[in-house]
Amino acid sequence: EPEVTQTPSHQVTQMGQEVILRCVPISNHLYFYWYRQILGQKVEFLVSFYNNEISEKSEIFDDQFSVERPDGSNFTLKIRSTKLEDSAMYFCASSMSLAGASEQFFGPGTRLTVL
Amino acid sequence: AQSVTQPDIHITVSEGASLELRCNYSYGATPYLFWYVQSPGQGLQLLLKYFSGDTLVQGIKGFEAEFKRSQSSFNLRKPSVHWSDAAEYFCAVVPNQGGKLIFGQGTELSVKP
Repeated sequence: EPEVTQTPSHQVTQMGQEVILRCVPISNHLYFYWYRQILGQKVEFLVSFYNNEISEKSEIFDDQFSVERPDGSNFTLKIRSTKLEDSAMYFCASSMSLAGASEQFFGPGTRLTVL
Repeated sequence: AQSVTQPDIHITVSEGASLELRCNYSYGATPYLFWYVQSPGQGLQLLLKYFSGDTLVQGIKGFEAEFKRSQSSFNLRKPSVHWSDAAEYFCAVVPNQGGKLIFGQGTELSVKP
C-alpha cells in the first residue's frame, strides 16, 4: 500500500540553524501539506502546495519557513533560522485533490528539537 | 472562526467496554468531518469520514461515528474496546471548499485490562 514517508524521524538542531525536513508524498497525489504538533497541543496546519506553488498558508508560516518540490518525488520544509518554539512534530501529508472529500494521507512525522 | 472541540483530554476504559469520544465543531455550514487515530511513533491514520447522506458512518477497526447537525457533533463510538485501541484520537474538519484540516485537541485513550 502506498504511503507517505518522512526523513529524518528525529532532528536535533541548535537555535539559529537551518533545517530541512523531507517528505516523499504518494506518487500520484497532487496536493501536499505540512502540519505541526507542538507537544501537548493540537495538530496545526502550516501550508498547502499545488502545482509548484503555495495554495494556502497559516499565520504560523512566516518568512522563516519555505517549501519546495525540488524534483518529482520530494517535498521539503525549510526553516531558515530555528527558534526554540519551533520544536514540534512536523507531519507531511498528501492528497489526490483539494476537495474536502479527498483524504489526506499522513507521514509518520519528524520530531524537531531546537536547543 | 472555525474550530473543533474535543472536550475529553484523556479517557480510560476497560477492555471490552464501550467507548464514545466526543467532538463538536463550530462552522457555518456542514463541513467534511473526519476522525484520525495516532498510535505512538506513528502518523495519523484515517478511521472514518462523513460528507453527506447517512449520518451514521462506519470506519475501520470497528469504529463508527454519528453526525448530528442539531448538536454540531460528530462523536466516535466503538461497542467493545480492545487493548490495541489505546492511542490518541483526533477529530478534524475541512471546510466545504476543501483544503486544510482543522484539528481538535485530541483525546488520549487508555485501555485497562
